[in-house]
Amino acid sequence: AQTVTQSQPEMSVQEAETVTLSCTYDTSESNYYLFWYKQPPSRQMILVIRQEAYKQQNATENRFSVNFQKAAKSFSLKISDSQLGDTAMYFCAFMGAFNAGNMLTFGGGTRLMVKP
Amino acid sequence: NAGVTQTPKFQVLKTGQSMTLQCAQDMNHEYMSWYRQDPGMGLRLIHYSVGAGITDQGEVPNGYNVSRSTTEDFPLRLLSAAPSQTSVYFCASSRGVGAFFGQGTRLTVV
Repeated sequence: AQTVTQSQPEMSVQEAETVTLSCTYDTSESNYYLFWYKQPPSRQMILVIRQEAYKQQNATENRFSVNFQKAAKSFSLKISDSQLGDTAMYFCAFMGAFNAGNMLTFGGGTRLMVKP
Repeated sequence: NAGVTQTPKFQVLKTGQSMTLQCAQDMNHEYMSWYRQDPGMGLRLIHYSVGAGITDQGEVPNGYNVSRSTTEDFPLRLLSAAPSQTSVYFCASSRGVGAFFGQGTRLTVV
């Protein structure tokens, strides 16, 4: 079974600055996917970014980028030019490439507060 | 674009009552699943389905039943509600990589 760990329960950042959220995982699988989901106060789960383990290049989506270190089993999320709307819970998630049902394993979450 | 629709959004139950959380998707996705979200624990998988008529247990299935009679619907039944089932429940559907989530149901059992 795989596990996902987010070691920072809460973080804060000043508007316009950069913040990095940490995520580590444990798995015996060689091929898998990693995700970051955002959950604003509305409770909606929003996919921010995803990474395929077989791709060495780090994924980027506008102000969001990841640092994927496969050997270290680390998958951190960097948010550049933080905005007030980035205030939310952020969840790191794992999905094995061959898992029937596309089930996700989530970390415990990091609550991010962006301060004006 | 409805996506994944969950009802109700909020519910209060008394201990021992039963209820069904509804989930419907209009994207013709094969896979559907139910998660519960508790503080500090992220989302944990309750049950999932890989297609109509096929369901299986996830990490925390006790006290919950599911069925999948159609591709679109995947209801979650609480048989006899307990305070430990107070949580936020999410339904999700997917076909390829990644999942689409409903807006969640906040359930309180008193």
